[in-house]
Amino acid sequence: KAGVTQTPRYLIKTRGQQVTLSCSPISGHRSVSWYQQTPGQGLQFLFEYFSETQRNKGNFPGRFSGRQFSNSRSEMNVSTLELGDSALYLCASSPVERGGWNTQYFGPGTRLTVL
Amino acid sequence: AQSVTQPDIHITVSEGASLELRCNYSYGATPYLFWYVQSPGQGLQLLLKYFSGDTLVQGIKGFEAEFKRSQSSFNLRKPSVHWSDAAEYFCAVGVVFSGGYNKLIFGAGTRLAVHP
Repeated sequence: KAGVTQTPRYLIKTRGQQVTLSCSPISGHRSVSWYQQTPGQGLQFLFEYFSETQRNKGNFPGRFSGRQFSNSRSEMNVSTLELGDSALYLCASSPVERGGWNTQYFGPGTRLTVL
Repeated sequence: AQSVTQPDIHITVSEGASLELRCNYSYGATPYLFWYVQSPGQGLQLLLKYFSGDTLVQGIKGFEAEFKRSQSSFNLRKPSVHWSDAAEYFCAVGVVFSGGYNKLIFGAGTRLAVHP
């Protein structure tokens, strides 16, 4: 199976702009989670989607949003970009086969730079 | 609240030497524990996981980890390090919510350098 894919891999934006990142999960995986990785804050959970519904959200401002499509692909959007939004954004998919834990498989990430 | 602590930010070892990366967690229930590795410019690759059972778990690339409930630790070990092991290593605890969804809480990471 192909792994998790994220597009684009690199992105440069200026303050005040908005950006949309895309994630295609492993075939058959229905849950998609997003994480932000920065040198100062490390890896932080953004949100998780399952069956087109956001089930959980981390402690991020409302400028950060996302959605999931019927084919399980997910997008996240950041509006009114700030310098501090520069980060590696990682997407992870999991199969949600049973209760308890479902292993998350990560994509290569999208490196966002805000100037 | 759940948390993960990796006390060592940077570790340098010589190629062929043994390695131990420390991880301590705080979690009220039986934890799901993970070690991930990240090479520069890459995503996270799962090295190994602990859910229950045998407290010594084997992973990929010759890594193993031992779960010690009394010490709230999940240390990663490798008997002989290769230059290609140079990377950043993250310990994580998996939190399961009643709604069936999960999230990972990561430690700050340990950057491993390997001297030839």
